[in-house]
Amino acid sequence: KQEVTQIPAALSVPEGENLVLNCSFTDSAIYNLQWFRQDPGKGLTSLLLIQSSQREQTSGRLNASLDKSSGRSTLYIAASQPGDSATYLCAPNPRGYQKVTFGTGTKLQVIP
Amino acid sequence: EAGVVQSPRYKIIEKKQPVAFWCNPISGHNTLYWYRQNLGQGPELLIRYENEEAVDDSQLPKDRFSAERLKGVDSTLKIQPAELGDSAVYLCASSSGLAEQETQYFGPGTRLLVL
Repeated sequence: KQEVTQIPAALSVPEGENLVLNCSFTDSAIYNLQWFRQDPGKGLTSLLLIQSSQREQTSGRLNASLDKSSGRSTLYIAASQPGDSATYLCAPNPRGYQKVTFGTGTKLQVIP
Repeated sequence: EAGVVQSPRYKIIEKKQPVAFWCNPISGHNTLYWYRQNLGQGPELLIRYENEEAVDDSQLPKDRFSAERLKGVDSTLKIQPAELGDSAVYLCASSSGLAEQETQYFGPGTRLLVL
């Protein structure tokens, strides 16, 4: 059974800082991994999807890396802004028709 | 393009009452998911549909939960009777192809409170 851990559980940083969110998973037999953000009272919004053959994916100020063999992924946010405040979840997708497992998330607060 | 639509957004019921949630996926998306998200946790998959067929319902508590996806479009998730522990956010998501390859798009969720 896949277990997904996200560290830290919560993070508070001043505006403008660069930061890294960590995700680790126990079963490395994944097809891809997604990072989502969730705003309070809202659904999840997909940020980045990294295929298992890729090592990183970039979108604007976001960069996600994947080290499948060690069961780790990181989400790097450059020049953080108050609008980045949300909970960030990672979700490794297993091969075959098995269920996606989400981490418990990192709650980020960017202070103006 | 409209996103995933869910209704109602909020529901408060007394225990032992029935409740139903409705989801309209993004047009053309064949795959539909229902998740339950408890406070402070990530979503947990309840059931996944490929068109009309439920291909993964291993996490659905079948004694009280049921789901259907008529004509492979809209879906309804029902709980009867509801228990206190069912209080959570119920999220619907859809994707255009295989879960392993495609991004999932989530609706805003239905927040259920069972008293």
